[in-house]
Amino acid sequence: AQSVTQLDSQVPVFEEAPVELRCNYSSSVSVYLFWYVQYPNQGLQLLLKYLSGSTLVKGINGFEAEFNKSQTSFHLRKPSVHISDTAEYFCAVSDALIIQGAQKLVFGQGTRLTINP
Amino acid sequence: SAVISQKPSRDICQRGTSLTIQCQVDSQVTMMFWYRQQPGQSLTLIATANQGSEATYESGFVIDKFPISRPNLTFSTLTVSNMSPEDSSIYLCSVATASVGNTQYFGPGTRLTVL
Repeated sequence: AQSVTQLDSQVPVFEEAPVELRCNYSSSVSVYLFWYVQYPNQGLQLLLKYLSGSTLVKGINGFEAEFNKSQTSFHLRKPSVHISDTAEYFCAVSDALIIQGAQKLVFGQGTRLTINP
Repeated sequence: SAVISQKPSRDICQRGTSLTIQCQVDSQVTMMFWYRQQPGQSLTLIATANQGSEATYESGFVIDKFPISRPNLTFSTLTVSNMSPEDSSIYLCSVATASVGNTQYFGPGTRLTVL
């Protein structure tokens, strides 16, 4: 079974400052990793994903994340945040096996990113 | 990515009643899932909706409480039965195709309040 830990429940940051949202996972098999964003009163939007290959993945809205297998981490970063980045961010993991039932996502508890002017 | 819609977007219901939530996708997808997001919490998978067969439920969720239908590759329903205030949550459907990564895309959610 997999699990995901998002180390910070809330992260306040000033506008134009850099930010890192931390995510660690636990799994006995190879995994796929995802970051989703949830704006207030909306569903989840995919920010980026790691499937294989380069450990640095770039996503939408200027976000990027780095997969570190030895540290079982997948931290999300943005060099300069905007007020519009205020949202809840979820890290998720799934089993890297393409068989029925293996695709379910396990989510972390979420990190609330608040951007202050 | 697929365009996913859910109906209703929100509802306020009385204790003991049932609500059926619809999820519609604009293209055929392999997998459809239903999640629950309780207030201030993360997402928990309720079940995988299987086309033409019974849904696969996660531990802690049962068919009598959350019956699910999936009559075709673009549509699914989740019913929340005999509701109590503890069922107040956001219910989200997601879809995925059988491709590398099986990336899931989410609908806008249904915000349910039970009085």
